Amino acid sequence: QSALTQPASVSGSPGQSITISCTGTSSDFGNYNLVSWYQQHPGKAPKFMIYEGSKRPSGISNRFSGSKSGNTASLTISGLQADDEADYYCCSYAGSSTWVFGGGTKLTVL
Amino acid sequence: QLQLQESGPGLVKPSETLSLTCTVSGGSISSSTFYWGWIRQSPGKGLEWIGSIYDSGYTYYNPSLKSRVTISVDTSKNHFSLKLTSVTAADTAVYYCARHELVRDHYFDSWGQGALVTVSS
Repeated sequence: QSALTQPASVSGSPGQSITISCTGTSSDFGNYNLVSWYQQHPGKAPKFMIYEGSKRPSGISNRFSGSKSGNTASLTISGLQADDEADYYCCSYAGSSTWVFGGGTKLTVL
Repeated sequence: QLQLQESGPGLVKPSETLSLTCTVSGGSISSSTFYWGWIRQSPGKGLEWIGSIYDSGYTYYNPSLKSRVTISVDTSKNHFSLKLTSVTAADTAVYYCARHELVRDHYFDSWGQGALVTVSS
């Protein structure tokens, strides 16, 4: 069970949009759309942001959106704000009652 | 509001057993649809799912850790616990407990603040 692949870092200026990819194999999540995304500020616990690939839990800004195509899931943040600077992790059901996280992406707001 | 809090020794010697407890407040651990999970994060690294348990005691474990992990639940105390045996320096990490929805939508929605466990002699 290998970690899902995410870019190590992405960056963007305030007001811009960025997209973070999360790639797995067909055995990881190719047959499911059970991807969730988490935001983690330094020294803090992860925060639940997206589930089932594109759904937002209550209280999460609509600036955060998710999608999935084939073996790649994506998190898009629009209207970047300084507080969006954080690490972002994807997670997916990987079959056989196991769950796998991505390696994480550091978002820098320039 | 649901809150989770990890507790346990912050320092464990190599080859010994790491033990942590997660106490749930603001809600019952005996939920109809939620499991309760452990996730860890090695220093400067990503997240790794360790395992999850239902209030009945039914468990799922990460295959890479299964031989060393035991997760248990005590519904009377509204807490669940993690034991990891034969630890090495590679098990040094922040250990998080979280509520795990895995029946339909599959996510971890409420997290504890995390407990740093260092493996060192």
